[in-house]
Amino acid sequence: EVQLVESGGVVVQPGGSLRLSCAASGFPFDDYPMHWVRQAPGKGLEWVSVISWDGTSTYSTDSVKGRFTITRDNNKDSLYLQMNSLRTEDTAFYYCAKGLDSNLWTYFDSWGQGTLVTVSS
Amino acid sequence: DIHMTQSPSSLSASVGDRVTITCRASQGISNYLAWYQQKPGKVPKLLIYAASTLQSGVPSRFSGSGSGTDFTLTISSLQPEDVATYYCQNYNSAPPITFGQGTRLEIK
Repeated sequence: EVQLVESGGVVVQPGGSLRLSCAASGFPFDDYPMHWVRQAPGKGLEWVSVISWDGTSTYSTDSVKGRFTITRDNNKDSLYLQMNSLRTEDTAFYYCAKGLDSNLWTYFDSWGQGTLVTVSS
Repeated sequence: DIHMTQSPSSLSASVGDRVTITCRASQGISNYLAWYQQKPGKVPKLLIYAASTLQSGVPSRFSGSGSGTDFTLTISSLQPEDVATYYCQNYNSAPPITFGQGTRLEIK
C-alpha cells in the first residue's frame, strides 16, 4: 500500500523559512516523479512543484519560484520542500502527491494527509 | 498558463438525481484531464483520468467525457456519500499543472 507522510508544518513569521518532508513507502520511490500541491484553508487546490525521479529536473509555479526548492533523497525514500521568504499567502495545507506513471506531467493517484503551514506574525 | 473554469461553483441535488459538473479549459488540452473528489476534512481522491477513464475502485455511477476544451463529470444517481467538492485538473501543456476552482455538491 502506498503511504505518503508529510511533516514539518508549523507557524512561522513572514519572511521566515521552513523545510517540509514527505516520507514515502509501498512503491519504488525512485521510479516516480513527485509533486507538492497546496490548499489554503477553505480554498481550492494549487500545484506547487515537481521533481523528476532522479532529481535532475524541477519545475515550480510562478508564485514560489526563487523562494521554494523541491529536492528528494532516493536513498531515504523522501521528498522535501525548502520554503524561504515565506508570505502570508503561503499559508496552506501542503500535500505530497505521486503520479500514476513516470511522466512529470500527470494526475495524482496517491496523496499524503498534508501538513499545515501557517505564516503569521 | 491554461485556466480551468468549473461550473457551477456549487449545487444542491436530491438523492437519486443525475448530476453534471462541467470544466472548461482556456485552450485545448486534448484528453489530459482528471477529476478528483474531496470530502470535508479529507484528502483529494482520484476519480477519473484521461477525461473518461474510471480509476480502479471508483463506483460506476461516476463517468467523465469531453475532449479539447469542454469536459463533464456525471454522477448518474446521486448518493449521500457523494457530498464533496469536485475538482478538475489539467495536466497538458504543463508547467504549470492547473486545477479548476472546485464545485461543492450538497444533498437537497
